[in-house]
Amino acid sequence: DADVTQTPRNRITKTGKRIMLECSQTKGHDRMYWYRQDPGLGLRLIYYSFDVKDINKGEISDGYSVSRQAQAKFSLSLESAIPNQTALYFCATSDSRGSEGYTFGSGTRLTVV
Amino acid sequence: LAKTTQPISMDSYEGQEVNITCSHNNIATNDYITWYQQFPSQGPRFIIQGYKTKVKNEVASLFIPADRKSSTLSLPRVSLSDTAVYYCLEGNNRLAFGKGNQVVVIP
Repeated sequence: DADVTQTPRNRITKTGKRIMLECSQTKGHDRMYWYRQDPGLGLRLIYYSFDVKDINKGEISDGYSVSRQAQAKFSLSLESAIPNQTALYFCATSDSRGSEGYTFGSGTRLTVV
Repeated sequence: LAKTTQPISMDSYEGQEVNITCSHNNIATNDYITWYQQFPSQGPRFIIQGYKTKVKNEVASLFIPADRKSSTLSLPRVSLSDTAVYYCLEGNNRLAFGKGNQVVVIP
């Protein structure tokens, strides 16, 4: 099993729909992150969490919300999806010291039509 | 969030050594520099991490000069499978990827 698992792997949804992307990890890491990746723009940080009761906005949090349900779970929601949220979304984890680097999931490809 | 800057793209022939430099002029005293590799439609994966001087593992070498304002990732004798985007990252408490460096290995 992968250390960081994202579900679903692919999703097509309609404009205006609510959608949740889920992330779970078996690394035992405290810190979790959500990124989106668009062609030519690299990875941009949406939200991050340093522990269960901690939520922080990243560069591009507008239109997104997150929930850290447990140490191992961090979900990303789009309350009302719009086409420019079509992207590849990655979840990542790290420990508090950063000594192991960051572990990324395989990504969720989201298309909003 | 701390940002790094890298060249956008570079081509290299198989078997050559590839060196990618990253600038991090405002790196904090306690920050490490970490490099990642990303293949299309996959998440980035950790390659190497260092604080200063030289670090080497089975995949790459990392050289960080004394002023730590830059770092150079060295990939020895690249193969086609090394075609990927490479990111450098400063800091272990913050996470801010730039656009990375697209390395294309040519037969």
